Amino acid sequence: QVQLVQSGAEVKKPGASVKVSCKASGYTFTSYDINWVRQATGQGLEWMGWMNPNSGNTGYAQKFQGRVTMTRNTSISTAYMELSSLRSEDTAVYYCARGDPRAAFDIWGQGTMVTVSS
Amino acid sequence: QSVLTQPPSVSEAPRQRVTISCSGSSSNIGNNAVNWYQQLPGKAPKLLIYYDDLLPSGVSDRFSGSKSGTSASLAISGLQSEDEADYYCAAWDDRLNGNWVFGGGTKLTVL
Repeated sequence: QVQLVQSGAEVKKPGASVKVSCKASGYTFTSYDINWVRQATGQGLEWMGWMNPNSGNTGYAQKFQGRVTMTRNTSISTAYMELSSLRSEDTAVYYCARGDPRAAFDIWGQGTMVTVSS
Repeated sequence: QSVLTQPPSVSEAPRQRVTISCSGSSSNIGNNAVNWYQQLPGKAPKLLIYYDDLLPSGVSDRFSGSKSGTSASLAISGLQSEDEADYYCAAWDDRLNGNWVFGGGTKLTVL
C-alpha cells in the first residue's frame, strides 16, 4: 500500500542539527512532492517546506529559510529534512506528507518526535 | 497566530450536525482551494476534504466541504463518537514565494 515511513525519535542539544528521513513505498517516489509539517505538543500544524523528488527543487517557509534543508535519495525512495541550530522551540513532531504542487497532502508519515533539551 | 482562523472548539450531540468555519483572505482561501484534515488523538493528520468540497476515496459522505469568498466550512452530519478529533483547514497562500497556511485547528467534542 502507499505509505511514508519516518525515522525514529531524536533527542538533541540546543545548537545541534537533526536529520529526519521519510521512506516512500507503494508509488513512484519521483511523481509527487514531499512536504514537511511540524506540530509542537498541544499546538497546530505548521508547514516547513516542499521538495520535488524528481528535480530536487525545494521551497521553504520564510520562517525556516537558512535553517532547513530538504534532500532526497531517489535510489532508495527516501526524502530527508535537516534542521540546524536547534532550539527548545523546535521540540515537536515532524511529519512528511505527499502532495502535488499546491494540491492536498494525501498521504502522511507517522511522525517523528524531535526533542531539543540541554 | 494562524493565518487561517478557526474556532478553537465545537461540540454537539451524537447524530446531530456540526459545522466548522475557516476564515482567510484573498491571498489564500479567496484565490486557492481549501483542504481539510482530521487528526485523531495521537495520530497523524488524515486528508478529509480537498479542492474545497471533494471527498477522497474511503472518506464517509457524512463529511462535506464548502467555500464562499474568503471563508470555508466543514460540515459533519450524523455525528458519531469516533468523529471526536482535531480538524484543520489549509490553503496555499500566494504571498511572498507562496506557502501553505493552516488554521489553528478546531477540537470537536461529541457530547
